[in-house]
Amino acid sequence: EPEVTQTPSHQVTQMGQEVILRCVPISNHLYFYWYRQILGQKVEFLVSFYNNEISEKSEIFDDQFSVERPDGSNFTLKIRSTKLEDSAMYFCARGSNQPQHFGDGTRLSIL
Amino acid sequence: GQQVMQIPQYQHVQEGEDFTTYCNSSTTLSNIQWYKQRPGGHPVFLIQLVKSGEVKKQKRLTFQFGEAKKNSSLHITATQTTDVGTYFCAGPYGNFNKFYFGSGTKLNVKP
Repeated sequence: EPEVTQTPSHQVTQMGQEVILRCVPISNHLYFYWYRQILGQKVEFLVSFYNNEISEKSEIFDDQFSVERPDGSNFTLKIRSTKLEDSAMYFCARGSNQPQHFGDGTRLSIL
Repeated sequence: GQQVMQIPQYQHVQEGEDFTTYCNSSTTLSNIQWYKQRPGGHPVFLIQLVKSGEVKKQKRLTFQFGEAKKNSSLHITATQTTDVGTYFCAGPYGNFNKFYFGSGTKLNVKP
């Protein structure tokens, strides 16, 4: 049973549209992460979020991306003006300098 | 940027044979973690190694952390079909809120 729940499980979007991916922790945690995994490739770090602020971000996490915790519970990843190459699995995880516990992921398909 | 390399990329074994995957980091790590991802699933934490030269065992799995804390290995003795999946190593960088995953080793076990 994953410790974070992600919605939707699959999102299909037209290129250029905005998408919002959601992550809901089962219990109260301060550290959250977003990762991306293009089909058949490795898990890529996007961003870490601590106490409602971005802690670290990778080179991939450019102005197209944003994260927030709008209501203190849901943790969202927004991708503006999606591109074909944004098609991937997006995983949310919780943890700090400890094991990462991943959600089941959202499969994002850009048409 | 940080590099975490894994070899081999793929490994096909007959059930009962042994399997080893190797992980190398471009920089010294405070700890290293191993994850397993089944086809269509999310990464699942296996173990964390912290000390230089540390060796840990989980049933048929043996994990090692190099003396210089820059490399690690995972060895599976007498593989079973349930071992099928991709094995990733991962290490924390920055202020421990940025995790880089290795490229992964995909293991296929033939019954």
